[in-house]
Amino acid sequence: DAKTTQPPSMDCAEGRAANLPCNHSTISGNEYVYWYRQIHSQGPQYIIHGLKNNETNEMASLIITEDRKSSTLILPHATLRDTAVYYCIVRYHMNYGGSQGNLIFGKGTKLSVKP
Amino acid sequence: DSGVTQTPKHLITATGQRVTLRCSPRSGDLSVYWYQQSLDQGLQFLIQYYNGEERAKGNILERFSAQQFPDLHSELNLSSLELGDSALYFCASSVAGAGTGELFFGEGSRLTVL
Repeated sequence: DAKTTQPPSMDCAEGRAANLPCNHSTISGNEYVYWYRQIHSQGPQYIIHGLKNNETNEMASLIITEDRKSSTLILPHATLRDTAVYYCIVRYHMNYGGSQGNLIFGKGTKLSVKP
Repeated sequence: DSGVTQTPKHLITATGQRVTLRCSPRSGDLSVYWYQQSLDQGLQFLIQYYNGEERAKGNILERFSAQQFPDLHSELNLSSLELGDSALYFCASSVAGAGTGELFFGEGSRLTVL
């Protein structure tokens, strides 16, 4: 899987939008961008994924640059419960060879939402 | 609630011992993944099974082994335990080979080796 680069930590005021950046300059054409988060020591939770178009769901929006070398996860109205480590992961969407779907996590961004 | 069940939630044991962690995937999910999370290593992929067969192997030690049973539950066996094996062990499941990329994680089993 391509490597990603994320800032180690970010702060956000409660009620404001949280914009979490991710660089993935070596992403290949078949690789998707996925975002997961981990609240304290709970199991990671899927947030959203995309290939090249912007995506939105009930949790967040994903903005991918046209050259696909970077992306931004947007939490539109951050709450205290959004305090977590956010992981940006790139991987193939379908199974290729021996890589059958496992996600490779980096260090992520620790987002602190403050009142 | 992700639908993935892991037992036990907490386990304390001594060095040299052997433990078994159990994972029940979401109903209908064929793939099971095991991850280890220690303070200094982050989330490390260990191994994946799909419908009873090993599909991918990550940084799993030779002292560790896993299997997926016909009812699709999985067990991770850790033997000759060392202090450094103390960690959170997560199980995740997905429908197939996770073509959608969505893995559902359990709440983890916290292993403490004394």
